[in-house]
Amino acid sequence: AQSVTQPDIHITVSEGASLELRCNYSYGATPYLFWYVQSPGQGLQLLLKYFSGDTLVQGIKGFEAEFKRSQSSFNLRKPSVHWSDAAEYFCAVGGDTDKLIFGTGTRLQVFP
Amino acid sequence: EPEVTQTPSHQVTQMGQEVILRCVPISNHLYFYWYRQILGQKVEFLVSFYNNEISEKSEIFDDQFSVERPDGSNFTLKIRSTKLEDSAMYFCASSLQGGRSNQPQHFGDGTRLSIL
Repeated sequence: AQSVTQPDIHITVSEGASLELRCNYSYGATPYLFWYVQSPGQGLQLLLKYFSGDTLVQGIKGFEAEFKRSQSSFNLRKPSVHWSDAAEYFCAVGGDTDKLIFGTGTRLQVFP
Repeated sequence: EPEVTQTPSHQVTQMGQEVILRCVPISNHLYFYWYRQILGQKVEFLVSFYNNEISEKSEIFDDQFSVERPDGSNFTLKIRSTKLEDSAMYFCASSLQGGRSNQPQHFGDGTRLSIL
């Protein structure tokens, strides 16, 4: 079955610390992978995407993600978190149909 | 940067009533989508729309739901005879090409639908 798993429901980090949000997927075809961020009261903003090629992709706001086919993972990273990064982060997979399949999200809290 | 806009931001409706959620996709985009997110649950795909017809739909998208592009800019989701379980955040999205392409979907801010 096609699915996305985000094992961490809630993560808390200190401002300036590094961040890694985990995402694992199960998908029958070649996956297209995405990370979206949702700030309170707002919609889903695309952070970055992977379609093919270089497995390390750069996104907006200083985020990056690495596609590891052998681990079926697409983890999101940021070297130094800012208080404004506090939000909910969603990993999604698509590629052989129109629909995106989303994970349950990881809520990031940032302490000063 | 162009964006997807949705109205209203919050809709409160009595159970059994019909509701129409509205979206203005990004102007040069050709594919349009609706998703929903029930509180505390995943974002779920409802339907995709291209060239004035449904391209793909999920099992959630039954006869209670319909979509329409009534003019050159709006894309609507109609829910007939609303039920309590229709309460959710509904997201509209659009993309330049369909899901099998390397064009990402861009989402609006959502409409929170509350059924009383």
